[in-house]
Amino acid sequence: DAKTTQPPSMDCAEGRAANLPCNHSTISGNEYVYWYRQIHSQGPQYIIHGLKNNETNEMASLIITEDRKSSTLILPHATLRDTAVYYCIVRVLDNAGNMLTFGGGTRLMVKP
Amino acid sequence: DSGVTQTPKHLITATGQRVTLRCSPRSGDLSVYWYQQSLDQGLQFLIQYYNGEERAKGNILERFSAQQFPDLHSELNLSSLELGDSALYFCASSVSPLNEQFFGPGTRLTVL
Repeated sequence: DAKTTQPPSMDCAEGRAANLPCNHSTISGNEYVYWYRQIHSQGPQYIIHGLKNNETNEMASLIITEDRKSSTLILPHATLRDTAVYYCIVRVLDNAGNMLTFGGGTRLMVKP
Repeated sequence: DSGVTQTPKHLITATGQRVTLRCSPRSGDLSVYWYQQSLDQGLQFLIQYYNGEERAKGNILERFSAQQFPDLHSELNLSSLELGDSALYFCASSVSPLNEQFFGPGTRLTVL
């Protein structure tokens, strides 16, 4: 699986959009971009994933650049409960093992 | 609540002992994954089962073993415990290896 690079930490004001970047310059054509988050020692929570098109769900939006070498997770209106470590993961989907390889992630602090 | 349950929530034991951690996947999920999260190693994949069969292995020590039973619940057995095995152990499940994983709340293991 391709490696990802994320800033170690970010701050965001409550109510504002949080934009979390991820670089994955060695991503292959069949690798998806996944985002998970972990709120203080709880189990990681799935947020969103995509291949090349932008995706949106009730939690967030995922913007993937045309060359697929980077992406941005957008939380449109961050709340205090969004304070967490956010992990960007790239992985192939096949019927073999599909483990998630977690890096250091970005620690997002949402401030009042 | 992800629908994945893990027991026990906390476990305190001594070096050299053996423990069993239990995971019940979400209803309908056939794939189970085990991850370890320690302070110095981050979140690491240990092993995956799909419909009772081992599908992938990560950095799992020989002292550790797992299995998935016919009712799809899984157990992770840790033996000859060392201080360094103290960690959070997460179980995740998915419908198939192609689908997103949902994590349980974890078992916090403390080896004294």
